Amino acid sequence: KAGVTQTPRYLIKTRGQQVTLSCSPISGHRSVSWYQQTPGQGLQFLFEYFSETQRNKGNFPGRFSGRQFSNSRSEMNVSTLELGDSALYLCASSLKLGLQGNTEAFFGQGTRLTVV
Amino acid sequence: QKEVEQDPGPLSVPEGAIVSLNCTYSNSAFQYFMWYRQYSRKGPELLMYTYSSGNKEDGRFTAQVDKSSKYISLFIRDSQPSDSATYLCAMSDTGGFKTIFGAGTRLFVKA
Repeated sequence: KAGVTQTPRYLIKTRGQQVTLSCSPISGHRSVSWYQQTPGQGLQFLFEYFSETQRNKGNFPGRFSGRQFSNSRSEMNVSTLELGDSALYLCASSLKLGLQGNTEAFFGQGTRLTVV
Repeated sequence: QKEVEQDPGPLSVPEGAIVSLNCTYSNSAFQYFMWYRQYSRKGPELLMYTYSSGNKEDGRFTAQVDKSSKYISLFIRDSQPSDSATYLCAMSDTGGFKTIFGAGTRLFVKA
C-alpha cells in the first residue's frame, strides 16, 4: 500500500513570504500530525488533526497553521517566513491520535524548506 | 533544560560492535518510551516502544527503561553498516497526545 506522501520535497522561499506544505496520509488513516525537525532542536510537534479537527497543538507561533480536508489530506501553512523556519517538516499519519506506543503511525519523507 | 536530553554524537563503531544509545528525561509523567530510526533523507520509523519500565527485546535490539533514574537505553548487538542512521528517542505521557523527541544520535557502523 502507498505510504505517506509529502509535497513538495524541497522548497526555497524568501523571508517574509508564505508557504503551504501538503501531506497525503495512508488510505484509511484519519490522523495527521506535523513536526518540525532542525539540527539544534530536533523533532518538535506542531499540531495534529483528526477528522478535519485540530486536536492538539505544540508551542509554535500563530504563523504556523494547518488544516485537514474531508479526504484526510492535510496542509500546513507558514506565513511571514523567517530564516529560523528553515527545517525539515515531517508529517505522520495514523489510524488513531498520538504516537505513544502507536505501531501504526508512519512518517512521510518530509519537505525540506530553506528560507533565504 | 530540555525535557528529553540525547547526545547527538556522532557515534562511530566497527561492524559487529555492541552499540548503546541513551536518553535522559525530566518529566516523571512519561509512560511511553519509543525509539525511532531515521535514515538520511527519510522520515523516522518506529523501532521499538516500551510502556512504563523494564526491558524489551526484538532481534538484535533491546530497549531498557529505568524510571527511577529517568534514563532509557537502546542496545544494538552485532551492529551492521545498515544500522548507520540517526536514532531518536521519544516519550509520551498517557493522558496527552504530544510526543517529545530527543535530538537524535547519529550512528555510523564501519565495515
